[in-house]
Amino acid sequence: GAVVSQHPSWVICKSGTSVKIECRSLDFQATTMFWYRQFPKQSLMLMATSNEGSKATYEQGVEKDKFLINHASLTLSTLTVTSAHPEDSSFYICSASRTRLSYEQYFGPGTRLTVT
Amino acid sequence: DQQVKQNSPSLSVQEGRISILNCDYTNSMFDYFLWYKKYPAEGPTFLISISSIKDKNEDGRFTVFLNKSAKHLSLHIVPSQPGDSAVYFCAASGGNSGGSNYKLTFGKGTLLTVNP
Repeated sequence: GAVVSQHPSWVICKSGTSVKIECRSLDFQATTMFWYRQFPKQSLMLMATSNEGSKATYEQGVEKDKFLINHASLTLSTLTVTSAHPEDSSFYICSASRTRLSYEQYFGPGTRLTVT
Repeated sequence: DQQVKQNSPSLSVQEGRISILNCDYTNSMFDYFLWYKKYPAEGPTFLISISSIKDKNEDGRFTVFLNKSAKHLSLHIVPSQPGDSAVYFCAASGGNSGGSNYKLTFGKGTLLTVNP
């Protein structure tokens, strides 16, 4: 299999606080992990790509200082939403692939973030 | 500028009949295409893929057809089952560009409802 987990599955936080979301590949080593954001009835929008041991590559329009990504090991990547605002409320999904040259990504179950 | 388009937001079919989900793309650099299935509050699950060197790929009840000249692909599910009810996302990748990751560009999805 290729199982990817995310924690927490949902989180509510107050405006101005920071929230960390973890993404783990449980039964394989993930050279590359991706972070997506999905608004209701919209497609998954890629936020950033991270390769283990390297700095993340952010998509145009995504604030790197607001969405901190760390990929310190082959099985764990974290996304920290800093100084969260209500407009950051969304469904955040991570995915992982075994190599940099793989088309196939395995997705986590997602994290629902609500900022009040 | 949406490079992957799924123009039908929803589709309803009877159990046992064929479901045909369509996807169009505009970027001629895309060379690999994938279909994902997604249930609410869960991450997408990989279904089937096709390389641009092929025009058909079949896996059980699922068949993907690719028409490169029309920049169009479709997913056929036959026979459709109530458990197939979900949102189906079409995704495309442009391949390795100077060693970069195989990023996926997603369509907005089509909600398939299979009625018993």
